[in-house]
Amino acid sequence: IAGITQAPTSQILAAGRRMTLRCTQDMRHNAMYWYRQDLGLGLRLIHYSNTAGTTGKGEVPDGYSVSRANTDDFPLTLASAVPSQTSVYFCASSDERDSNYNEQFFGPGTRLTVL
Amino acid sequence: GQNIDQPTEMTATEGAIVQINCTYQTSGFNGLFWYQQHAGEAPTFLSYNVLDGLEEKGRFSSFLSRSKGYSYLLLKELQMKDSASYLCAVRDSNYQLIWGAGTKLIIKP
Repeated sequence: IAGITQAPTSQILAAGRRMTLRCTQDMRHNAMYWYRQDLGLGLRLIHYSNTAGTTGKGEVPDGYSVSRANTDDFPLTLASAVPSQTSVYFCASSDERDSNYNEQFFGPGTRLTVL
Repeated sequence: GQNIDQPTEMTATEGAIVQINCTYQTSGFNGLFWYQQHAGEAPTFLSYNVLDGLEEKGRFSSFLSRSKGYSYLLLKELQMKDSASYLCAVRDSNYQLIWGAGTKLIIKP
């Protein structure tokens, strides 16, 4: 693995189904993020984690949950998918342990369609 | 509320120079980022400004004026591969990134 991987690449899901999007990074970054990207809107933060064992809510957390059991993995779960959750989902990570600019590195994205 | 404004779309000619503007109103300021995103791909980091002034990196430069809540990304010697969306993001007082909707740059030969 080099950088951040996400799975699946794309998924079509029936409304009401449960779905987990996977994200793994091998850069030992302490901070990880989940964003959704919709046409005409900026990236919107769903949930974040500043370090393993802690998580926080972003701008649009409703209908989503996350966990951070270890440094590398940060799965995003949709408990009961709805059509408004159709979007492209990006996972990102950053090293927030120093005072430098802390750029975020992005995974390739998961394109999710909820019917 | 927090707001990042950028033009939706711009068109420029190969070999020319283009300036993409970004204005922001956020709760706190801890730096401004520019990212490039090609269609169907992930955003990739271009530049970072935290102090006023110009940061130059090859063909790309980014400028910041904190008092005006304003930044621009300057792309010189445009190449066809520069056709992409350019995303402006501000890190707020909670150290979270607030993102603009992006500017789609179309390069014509």
